[in-house]
Order: sequence, then structure tokens, then C-alpha cells
Amino acid sequence: QKEVEQNSGPLSVPEGAIASLNCTYSDRGSQSFFWYRQYSGKSPELIMSIYSNGDKEDGRFTAQLNKASQYVSLLIRDSQPSDSATYLCAVNVAGGFKTIFGAGTRLFVKA
Amino acid sequence: DVKVTQSSRYLVKRTGEKVFLECVQDMDHENMFWYRQDPGLGLRLIYFSYDVKMKEKGDIPEGYSVSREKKERFSLILESASTNQTSMYLCASSSHRGNQPQHFGDGTRLSIL
Repeated sequence: QKEVEQNSGPLSVPEGAIASLNCTYSDRGSQSFFWYRQYSGKSPELIMSIYSNGDKEDGRFTAQLNKASQYVSLLIRDSQPSDSATYLCAVNVAGGFKTIFGAGTRLFVKA
Repeated sequence: DVKVTQSSRYLVKRTGEKVFLECVQDMDHENMFWYRQDPGLGLRLIYFSYDVKMKEKGDIPEGYSVSREKKERFSLILESASTNQTSMYLCASSSHRGNQPQHFGDGTRLSIL
């Protein structure tokens, strides 16, 4: 059973701080990794994709991938109250069409 | 931008009814998915389809069926609705082309009374 593990949180950070969200996955053959943001009562929204080892930056967001350790992370710099949401880590199954989603980490940014 | 449209945001039905949830995508994606999401249980895959008229069971297919007669449309059917099928239902689509992400519709919050 392929799995994606995340700390459920909640993770609470003050406004302006860096929020660090972590994820591990079991499928060694996976090649594509995603972070989704989900506000309460809404559907998941794609915010980052990463395919290669290292860092990928997009505005205040940085995704980090380490395939050897089977580890993906998301850093949110200068956290804002509007970043308060659940963040889902997702990993495409190698050789297939499916995506495995983590259960999500709840983030609270305190003003 | 990818647009995945689900027919209803909120739906209330009675036990025993046959319920249809519709999903349409406008990006010519080959893959389409139906999930349900319940508090504390995360996203659970019900069915998916990788081509017209093709369907595959996900992790929790019992009590559900699907139909994909056209590439852009994927329907979820609750054959005889039960109260334990009260949930948020999410449709998603993705491309066959190398390692693409799934894009979600707005979701349908279904209540079975």
C-alpha cells in the first residue's frame, strides 16, 4: 500500500514567521510531487509542483524534494493569516494514473 | 486555466434514492477521478477513469458506480443512497502527459436524510 504521511497538526505560527510543512512518501519510483492548499469547506487548490531534487521557489512558497530520503517539504515565508488552511501533500504513483494524497496538515497563522 | 465543473455545490437527497453527481472538465484531460472527503479521513478515491468508457475501482467503490460516455464528462452514481454516504464529493481531472497534477472541481456537499 503506497502511502503519504503528514503531521496532522495543527501547526501554529505567528504572522510573518516561516511555516514549515513536511511529508514523507513510500513509493520510491514516484517522480512528481505536489502541494495543495484547502480552505475550510473548499476544494484543494494546487499551489506547487516539484519534480527534481532540491528547492523550487514561487513567491513566498518554496518546495523542497529529497528523493533519497523520500521527503518533501513546503516552506511558507512571511506567513499571513490568509495562509491558514490545510495543506495536502500529493505524490503521483509511478507508472500509473493515480495520485496518493496525505491527510493534510492544518496551519494556523496568528495575527 | 483548467476548469472542472461539478453540477451542484449542495445537494440533499433521501435514503434509497438514486443520486447522480456530474462533473465536466474543459481541458481535454484523459484522466478523471471521484473522491469523497470526510473529517479525519482525508481524500478517499472512489473510482477513476483513464479514457472514455473505461473505469477503475478506487479504494472505496462499494455503493457507487460511474459513467464516462464522453471524454469531458464523468458521472458518479449512488445506486441507493444511504446516510453513510453523506459527505463532500470531489471530482478531479489530469492529463496523461508526464506526471501532471490533478485539478479539482469546487465539490458537492451531499446530505442523505
